[in-house]
Amino acid sequence: TQLLEQSPQFLSIQEGENLTVYCNSSSVFSSLQWYRQEPGEGPVLLVTVVTGGEVKKLKRLTFQFGDARKDSSLHITAAQTGDTGLYLCAGLRNYKLTFGKGTLLTVNP
Amino acid sequence: DVKVTQSSRYLVKRTGEKVFLECVQDMDHENMFWYRQDPGLGLRLIYFSYDVKMKEKGDIPEGYSVSREKKERFSLILESASTNQTSMYLCASTSGGETNSYNEQFFGPGTRLTVL
Repeated sequence: TQLLEQSPQFLSIQEGENLTVYCNSSSVFSSLQWYRQEPGEGPVLLVTVVTGGEVKKLKRLTFQFGDARKDSSLHITAAQTGDTGLYLCAGLRNYKLTFGKGTLLTVNP
Repeated sequence: DVKVTQSSRYLVKRTGEKVFLECVQDMDHENMFWYRQDPGLGLRLIYFSYDVKMKEKGDIPEGYSVSREKKERFSLILESASTNQTSMYLCASTSGGETNSYNEQFFGPGTRLTVL
């Protein structure tokens, strides 16, 4: 079973601050997905990165896939209270997703 | 609006009971998945199915079985529930019979199962 190490596990910041979440593995994945989950709901896909070195932006969120397709990062600029939630990275290989344990982000007003 | 629905949001069962968790998707997806989510452990794959009547074990299949009689429905069965199966259960579906790098998994809202 491939392992995805996600860090930090918990993050509490003030509104307006920047943050980065990391997702690392020793295995290569065909793609890396980032999901966000709110309390009482299932995860919802934010982005999929496929090509090594790829960078995707979603408003204030920037996602990067490592050159070797083993790691990824999520950077949020000027965090807002609405960004609060559980962020999950997941590596895709042979139909299946392997999930990291998640980063619980709290953005305080 | 695409949807994955799960039969119950909350469920309380007793040790030894047989438990059925139902999942239905309306997107005509080939692949369906059952996960459990526990604090500190993340999402772990229990079983998945890539076609009707087909099933594959995930990472933690012990104590569970599944049924996929129709394309849109994937059921998770706990033959004899135990307290260590108390968890949040999430169903998901995705399109494509072959590996597709862009496949998005659509999740249901989850069933929080408590086994007493």
